[in-house]
Amino acid sequence: NAGVMQNPRHLVRRRGQEARLRCSPMKGHSHVYWYRQLPEEGLKFMVYLQKENIIDESGMPKERFSAEFPKEGPSILRIQQVVRGDSAAYFCASSEQGAGNEQFFGPGTRLTVL
Amino acid sequence: DAKTTQPNSMESNEEEPVHLPCNHSTISGTDYIHWYRQLPSQGPEYVIHGLTSNVNNRMASLAIAEDRKSSTLILHRATLRDAAVYYCILRSTTSGTYKYIFGTGTRLKVLA
Repeated sequence: NAGVMQNPRHLVRRRGQEARLRCSPMKGHSHVYWYRQLPEEGLKFMVYLQKENIIDESGMPKERFSAEFPKEGPSILRIQQVVRGDSAAYFCASSEQGAGNEQFFGPGTRLTVL
Repeated sequence: DAKTTQPNSMESNEEEPVHLPCNHSTISGTDYIHWYRQLPSQGPEYVIHGLTSNVNNRMASLAIAEDRKSSTLILHRATLRDAAVYYCILRSTTSGTYKYIFGTGTRLKVLA
């Protein structure tokens, strides 16, 4: 039973380019969460999605960031026109349901903006 | 959102018990207390969670204060593999969202 998969594991982009981070939840999980971790800091919630729906995007920056979780395929976190401050580790987690179920985290994507 | 406060770092000798404290004085009645740990360059790993009662599993025990304003993660016999950053997390359930609110974490060092 594969865990949460994220790819790529490492991503290097130049300022102004787009970054696409993918997350495949555990089998049977329909809830996906994205978190961002800056160096030496804890994880910060970004967005919570169910299939085809954004449930809570209170942690998403207002511009350049978007997320989706289509009916088929992985969840995508998209960052347009990246800046150096976007350099961080981005973690995806999934859960079977919302309440009462722990979240299982993927290994993360480490984004470096040059 | 309610916040958690943890010591920045702690040390323990191998084979000895470790008590990792967490303060969450503004916790709401519906917030669950979760503990995760994170090894270098890895995603957080679930350890344990609870609401009001103390909890035990194969990895650890969770002691929750009666007023729920603090909790303690107990590792009964620390091993070198337990060296990690331990996060005390409140899982908010207000407004139908189940996001985790991470604290700054405690870096546990285990001495051989």
